[in-house]
Amino acid sequence: DVKVTQSSRYLVKRTGEKVFLECVQDMDHENMFWYRQDPGLGLRLIYFSYDVKMKEKGDIPEGYSVSREKKERFSLILESASTNQTSMYLCASSFGGKRYEQYFGPGTRLTVT
Amino acid sequence: AQKITQTQPGMFVQEKEAVTLDCTYDTSDQSYGLFWYKQPSSGEMIFLIYQGSYDEQNATEGRYSLNFQKARKSANLVISASQLGDSAMYFCAMRSLNFGNEKLTFGTGTRLTIIP
Repeated sequence: DVKVTQSSRYLVKRTGEKVFLECVQDMDHENMFWYRQDPGLGLRLIYFSYDVKMKEKGDIPEGYSVSREKKERFSLILESASTNQTSMYLCASSFGGKRYEQYFGPGTRLTVT
Repeated sequence: AQKITQTQPGMFVQEKEAVTLDCTYDTSDQSYGLFWYKQPSSGEMIFLIYQGSYDEQNATEGRYSLNFQKARKSANLVISASQLGDSAMYFCAMRSLNFGNEKLTFGTGTRLTIIP
């Protein structure tokens, strides 16, 4: 089975802190994604990566950056956390190609105070 | 640009009844894929079913089927014989199948509650 793991289920940080969210997948997937999920808004794509060291902005990249130094690991970075970044963050991965679904991690609920 | 609309924020259904969750979409692509995901209270998104825009038959996976009406741009999820474990959020999503486009666009979801 595909396994996508995220470093924390719950995280509490202070405004202005630098925050790292880590995601690891074990199925050699080319693509990895970071979403945030907010009530009434569904999932919105922050960034994705289709190869090591490659990244593309999603729909809401402002205030975030990403890093993919190894194929299995994709990190989301909040350079200076703000209260409006309090949310559920979901990581996903997939094979490249037409038919393939994305596999999701359990999510990290981040609270910025 | 792609857009997914789920007009039912919440639904209550009696156990063992069939359920239809609505999804309409908008896209200018000719080749696209439609997905349904389930999110239980634990938070993890679980893939349920996929339909390609050129698939001639509606997709089925066990108790799940996708009622795909291309002309109406709808991709409703049908759950037969609902169970208590079906209580969850359900998201419809789509992506272009053009080369190099891997992005999924999600709807806002429907919260389904199965009543015993």
